[in-house]
Amino acid sequence: DADVTQTPRNRITKTGKRIMLECSQTKGHDRMYWYRQDPGLGLQLIYYSFDVKDINKGEISDGYSVSRQAQAKFSLSLESAIPNQTALYFCATSDFRQGVEAFFGQGTRLTVV
Amino acid sequence: KQEVTQIPAALSVPEGENLVLNCSFTDSAIYNLQWFRQDPGKGLTSLLLIQSSQREQTSGRLNASLDKSSGRSTLYIAASQPGDSATYLCAVKEYGGSQGNLIFGKGTKLSVKP
Repeated sequence: DADVTQTPRNRITKTGKRIMLECSQTKGHDRMYWYRQDPGLGLQLIYYSFDVKDINKGEISDGYSVSRQAQAKFSLSLESAIPNQTALYFCATSDFRQGVEAFFGQGTRLTVV
Repeated sequence: KQEVTQIPAALSVPEGENLVLNCSFTDSAIYNLQWFRQDPGKGLTSLLLIQSSQREQTSGRLNASLDKSSGRSTLYIAASQPGDSATYLCAVKEYGGSQGNLIFGKGTKLSVKP
């Protein structure tokens, strides 16, 4: 099983619909992240969570919300999807220690039509 | 605000050539720096992690260096192969107010020609 699992892997949705992307991890890391990747813009941080009770906005949080249901689960919601939210979304995990690598899921390709 | 820059944005080399990818960052207060590989439409695979107290890390044909004082890291790939073709991303793990956040460069797209 993958260390970081994202579901769904691909999704097409209509403008105005609510959609949830899910992420689960088996690394035991306390920190989880959601990133968005657009061609030419690199990876941009949407939200991050240091533990179940600590959730923070990243650089592009408008139009998104998150829920940390457990240490191992972190979901991203688009309350009312719009076409410019079409992108590749990644979940990642890490922890505070210096020597710990960040691990990424395989990504969710979201298309809003 | 931490900014990470990768130069060049794209690189094409013949098979067998040694090459260097560059990464620079504006704030030297980092926990670590990590190099990733990304194949088209796929997730990120970690290649090397250098802690802030380290100067370099090696894995097979890959060697990454870190000079925190100058805000630079390089990824050296020896004897490149077509299978090395991918986008390479560097990311710094912040030390300050946003502890633990990864800030990414935009990547270098590498193409190794047979």
